[in-house]
Amino acid sequence: QKEVEQDPGPLSVPEGAIVSLNCTYSNSAFQYFMWYRQYSRKGPELLMYTYSSGNKEDGRFTAQVDKSSKYISLFIRDSQPSDSATYLCAMSARGSGGSNYKLTFGKGTLLTVNP
Amino acid sequence: NAGVTQTPKFQVLKTGQSMTLQCAQDMNHEYMSWYRQDPGMGLRLIHYSVGAGITDQGEVPNGYNVSRSTTEDFPLRLLSAAPSQTSVYFCASSSYLRGEKLFFGSGTQLSVL
Repeated sequence: QKEVEQDPGPLSVPEGAIVSLNCTYSNSAFQYFMWYRQYSRKGPELLMYTYSSGNKEDGRFTAQVDKSSKYISLFIRDSQPSDSATYLCAMSARGSGGSNYKLTFGKGTLLTVNP
Repeated sequence: NAGVTQTPKFQVLKTGQSMTLQCAQDMNHEYMSWYRQDPGMGLRLIHYSVGAGITDQGEVPNGYNVSRSTTEDFPLRLLSAAPSQTSVYFCASSSYLRGEKLFFGSGTQLSVL
């Protein structure tokens, strides 16, 4: 079993839809949870970051973490064509000196928002 | 502010050739890493470094070599290219205590024939 599982999609939705992207994980040591967005032919960029269970909102984006179920989600409200990208979940454990740099990525979900 | 700079953007090699992918960052980040991204496989860590003179292996290190002589530079060497190394390669960096925020370069598309 891979440490991080993510459905690769692809996922195609109409403009304005609510999008739900999900990852599961098996490593109980993971304490930091991230979502990266990657546009075609570009490097990934950090979209959301959280280290606690519960919800974190940033505009149209909500990151949700359920540590008891080892499940994280990213919700996109009022999706726009500009949201079309690959979304990668990432996780890390707390390392020596409080570091958290060793990220484990999911495979990424390709999202297309159609006008 | 350049961030993370990777060169070249595209490269075609023949089997058995060697080459070096260059990566430089200007953010004084301690942590630097190399990933490869393949369809259906996601981002896989090849090698990483937590400071000058310190490197370690990631998930898929075979066939690759790294060194870190300065804080800024972290080159990736392909010793004897194989078709299985055809991939998109990303260099990334972060500060030691803000590892959740990786800054990625724009990638190198490598084809090995």
